[in-house]
Amino acid sequence: SQKIEQNSEALNIQEGKTATLTCNYTNYSPAYLQWYRQDPGRGPVFLLLIRENEKEKRKERLKVTFDTTLKQSLFHITASQPADSATYLCALDLTGGSYIPTFGRGTSLIVHP
Amino acid sequence: GAVVSQHPSRVICKSGTSVKIECRSLDFQATTMFWYRQFPKQSLMLMATSNEGSKATYEQGVEKDKFLINHASLTLSTLTVTSAHPEDSSFYICSARDPAGQSHTEAFFGQGTRLTVV
Repeated sequence: SQKIEQNSEALNIQEGKTATLTCNYTNYSPAYLQWYRQDPGRGPVFLLLIRENEKEKRKERLKVTFDTTLKQSLFHITASQPADSATYLCALDLTGGSYIPTFGRGTSLIVHP
Repeated sequence: GAVVSQHPSRVICKSGTSVKIECRSLDFQATTMFWYRQFPKQSLMLMATSNEGSKATYEQGVEKDKFLINHASLTLSTLTVTSAHPEDSSFYICSARDPAGQSHTEAFFGQGTRLTVV
């Protein structure tokens, strides 16, 4: 069965440092992978999408890499700020093109001032 | 980006009663909407796909008679939890894509509804 794995332990870092979150998946070759941010008691907010033929994608302080050989995506936040504290979810379309995301359970990021 | 509005944000109901949750796309027409459920510290689990003008498609293990979905217009889908029990207490979230938007793969989510059944 398909599986999306994100580190369940919270990531604690100091303000100004780079946060790196990992998403691993098995038994599937997705055409793209997405990252979302979710704040407590709120719905997810889309951040970035990276396609299988893209190695890296950037948006302001965010950077996503996608290694289809390792079946892994890394999500980086540079110059992190306390306002970046949230849960970050990765999502794959496991339906073969219907664009219905299947989510990992997310990793909580806590940025300390 | 497109806006999806969900109402209510919180609801507490007695066991055995029914609760209706609304999901609206405010600035686009959504022929398809999706309903998710999320338990604490767990991932969002897709419950069903709501199709405008036709029956919803339910994921395996989701009771269609318990979770009634109606998608009567291009901007509104409703989820009714019937005969709610404490184990139905969860965070329910709807989402939709804007098929006419620039990023048709991006899913826009509502604010979520915290349901507590007592």
